[in-house]
Amino acid sequence: SQKIEQNSEALNIQEGKTATLTCNYTNYSPAYLQWYRQDPGRGPVFLLLIRENEKEKRKERLKVTFDTTLKQSLFHITASQPADSATYLCALLNNAGNMLTFGGGTRLMVKP
Amino acid sequence: NAGVTQTPKFQVLKTGQSMTLQCAQDMNHNSMYWYRQDPGMGLRLIYYSASEGTTDKGEVPNGYNVSRLNKREFSLRLESAAPSQTSVYFCASSEGGGQRYYGYTFGSGTRLTVV
Repeated sequence: SQKIEQNSEALNIQEGKTATLTCNYTNYSPAYLQWYRQDPGRGPVFLLLIRENEKEKRKERLKVTFDTTLKQSLFHITASQPADSATYLCALLNNAGNMLTFGGGTRLMVKP
Repeated sequence: NAGVTQTPKFQVLKTGQSMTLQCAQDMNHNSMYWYRQDPGMGLRLIYYSASEGTTDKGEVPNGYNVSRLNKREFSLRLESAAPSQTSVYFCASSEGGGQRYYGYTFGSGTRLTVV
């Protein structure tokens, strides 16, 4: 069955360091991979989208890589700040474009 | 710019009661979605509507029905609520189609408890 795995353990890092979150998937051939941020009690907020033929995408302090051979995406936040503390969700869009499937999310804690 | 608006924000139901969760978007998006989010399970797609007049089942449709009332509104109905439907429900919308896809815009959620 299709599976999207994100580290369920919280990631704790020091302010100013680079945070790296991992998303692995199996039995899936996604056309697009997306990353979302979710704060407690709120809905997810879209951050970045990367297509299957793209290796890397950047937006300000955020960088996403997508390796369809390894079936893995890495999400980086450089110069992290306490305000970056949240849960980050990886999501895969199927080729038909009608089904966005989410991983369980990884909680990031940035300490001052 | 309201985005995606969900009502109500909180609801407690007794087993067997029915209710409708409302969702409206003001971004002129074609597609709308209903997800539920449970601890340890992540977000799971219940139903979606690719365009006005169409609806399709997602991963966990049992016990739910939907109506795409017009381009703006997409409602989710629980006909006979069960404790297993205790969850946080999110509505989302997106633009795109064909070979162009964009991120989803989510509402703030409805926290439903069935006792």
